[in-house]
Amino acid sequence: DIVMTQSPDSLAVSLGERATINCKSSQSVLNSSNNKNYLAWYQHKPGQPPKLLIYWASTRESGVPDRFSGSGSGTDFTLTISSLQAEDVAVYYCQQYYSTPFTFGPGTKVDIK
Amino acid sequence: EVQLVESGGGLVQPGRSLRLSCAASGFTFDDYAMHWVRQAPGKGLEWVSGISWNSGSTGYADSVKGRFTISRDKAKISLYLQMDSLRVEDTALYYCAKDRGCGGGSCYGDYYAMDVWGQGTTVTVSS
Repeated sequence: DIVMTQSPDSLAVSLGERATINCKSSQSVLNSSNNKNYLAWYQHKPGQPPKLLIYWASTRESGVPDRFSGSGSGTDFTLTISSLQAEDVAVYYCQQYYSTPFTFGPGTKVDIK
Repeated sequence: EVQLVESGGGLVQPGRSLRLSCAASGFTFDDYAMHWVRQAPGKGLEWVSGISWNSGSTGYADSVKGRFTISRDKAKISLYLQMDSLRVEDTALYYCAKDRGCGGGSCYGDYYAMDVWGQGTTVTVSS
């Protein structure tokens, strides 16, 4: 099974500042046949279902603000919130959909400093 | 509006069974793979199971393999999760989620990211 790790476990960022979350997979999630990274990012707020932010490691889902961006390839990925807003307080998860069982990272909690 | 509504959760004793349902609407159900994802109290998200658009492929987390069975019904536009031999550690909020599909281009595999989620149904396994 592919193991996903995230760092940090939590971070507190001032409003308007940048937040960076790292995600690492135990093996590559890059499909060499189509050159796509099978990696997604989700935002999860209490009392709500998770929300898809990014897929293919760097493609923003429709309706997601452009302050959210994803980067990386192979085994190392990053989610960046360029200018943190109050509504971005949540837990963020990376997830690989390269091979079953699909696995999530443990989550990173983002708060306002 | 794309919508997923889960039902069937409840309190059940260890070793017993429960069947979750997910009613889908607002999209062509037959065109997309579907998933179950759960969140135990105070824990993170755990992918439980997935089923391809035509039921030709299914997958399970190691923790539920051999005990849970995913299925879908085209006529009822619904996804199901049959949960047998339930354990205390299966206690969680269970979400139904729609696969977003490949979106065109070079597509490899049956499953992709999950773009629509239901509100979830709670399963509590306790004696």
